[in-house]
Amino acid sequence: EVQLVESGGGLVQPGGSLRLSCAGSGFTFSSSWMSWVRQAPGKGLEWVANIKEDGSEKNYVESVKGRFTISRDNTKNALYLQMNSLRGEDTAVYYCASGRSCRGWGQGTLVTVSS
Amino acid sequence: QTVVTQEPSFSVSPGGTVTLTCGLSSGSVSTSYYPTWYQQTPGQAPRTLIYTTNTRSSGVPDRFSGSILGNKAALTITGAQTDDESDYYCVLYMGSGIWVFGGGTKLTVL
Repeated sequence: EVQLVESGGGLVQPGGSLRLSCAGSGFTFSSSWMSWVRQAPGKGLEWVANIKEDGSEKNYVESVKGRFTISRDNTKNALYLQMNSLRGEDTAVYYCASGRSCRGWGQGTLVTVSS
Repeated sequence: QTVVTQEPSFSVSPGGTVTLTCGLSSGSVSTSYYPTWYQQTPGQAPRTLIYTTNTRSSGVPDRFSGSILGNKAALTITGAQTDDESDYYCVLYMGSGIWVFGGGTKLTVL
């Protein structure tokens, strides 16, 4: 069974940085595309970024390009999201998801950007 | 920018059948968009129901089915149960590694 556990969320001031982590187990992490999806309070799901199995391809939604960086460490079965220059509109629960179409999901970690 | 469209809300009676759709603001949805459907209840993470148009995820009851209907992807719930009252989201592959979610449909069962 796919298990994904996110961590690293919290309160950060506008312009600040945060690094999210996701630990995967129960599947072959190194053979899976991985994604980040977020959900602002009371809003719908928004695809944020994904990364190919070997890390050679990374894709981002336009609104985070140049500010967020997705990465992975297959030796640790870990996925990361480095978030810089954070804005109020980045406030959301951030979910880690496995597979190109986000088939497996973690429980999410809340990021709040506020002064 | 292409928008993925879903009905904002829908209502179905217990035992009834409902079809939710997932379309494009411009163009038609085909299997090449790899439509995937999720169910989400308040405070919970999404749960994958259907992927690549019509493949049911493990453990999903067969009363949930996916298809292409006309120019949209569709999720049909046959024999709706009160437990099906949730938000339903679709996601489409737009090419170049980019995926876009629809705005979601709030389904009421009463």
